[in-house]
Amino acid sequence: EAGVVQSPRYKIIEKKQPVAFWCNPISGHNTLYWYLQNLGQGPELLIRYENEEAVDDSQLPKDRFSAERLKGVDSTLKIQPAELGDSAVYLCASSSPGLAGGNDTGELFFGEGSRLTVL
Amino acid sequence: AQSVTQLGSHVSVSEGALVLLRCNYSSSVPPYLFWYVQYPNQGLQLLLKYTTGATLVKGINGFEAEFKKSETSFHLTKPSAHMSDAAEYFCAVSDYGNKLVFGAGTILRVKS
Repeated sequence: EAGVVQSPRYKIIEKKQPVAFWCNPISGHNTLYWYLQNLGQGPELLIRYENEEAVDDSQLPKDRFSAERLKGVDSTLKIQPAELGDSAVYLCASSSPGLAGGNDTGELFFGEGSRLTVL
Repeated sequence: AQSVTQLGSHVSVSEGALVLLRCNYSSSVPPYLFWYVQYPNQGLQLLLKYTTGATLVKGINGFEAEFKKSETSFHLTKPSAHMSDAAEYFCAVSDYGNKLVFGAGTILRVKS
């Protein structure tokens, strides 16, 4: 079974330029997450999708960040314009409903991340 | 709201020694608890999880963790460290899967 796929793995841009990251979750996983991981810190949730609906985007800086998951499968995270402080790793993860009762146990499957450097 | 505190940003052990990585959590509801491992330039991989039932949970690579409600802790242990265990470890808490909140991580160094 293929895991969560992210691209690009690495991206270097000048400040004020736009950048986009792509994520393809595990087949059948209807929940998709974008996390931000700064150096030396744990991942922090940016946005969570249930199918194509963003159900938690409270931590997404909406002035420069946007995300979409149009067909409820793959997703794109965009930053425009990028700032120096946006240098970080952007992690995508997916999950599926749990066992009996349908409750999600919270187990996330992560991609390898997209490392952004803003110069 | 949930939160996680990992005591010690860096832990160093000798090969063959006991590994103990500490995690304390705060949650308003009975939590789901997780340990993830991250190797350099890779994504996070689940080591083990506690949802309900037995409080001692066994995971991959010989790791285990014990949920102690009275101490709000979920410490990760391994009896004998191996060089391949060197990585960063993250404790996380979830309120029935709605949101996973991570600690700041602990970098484990294994000395030969």
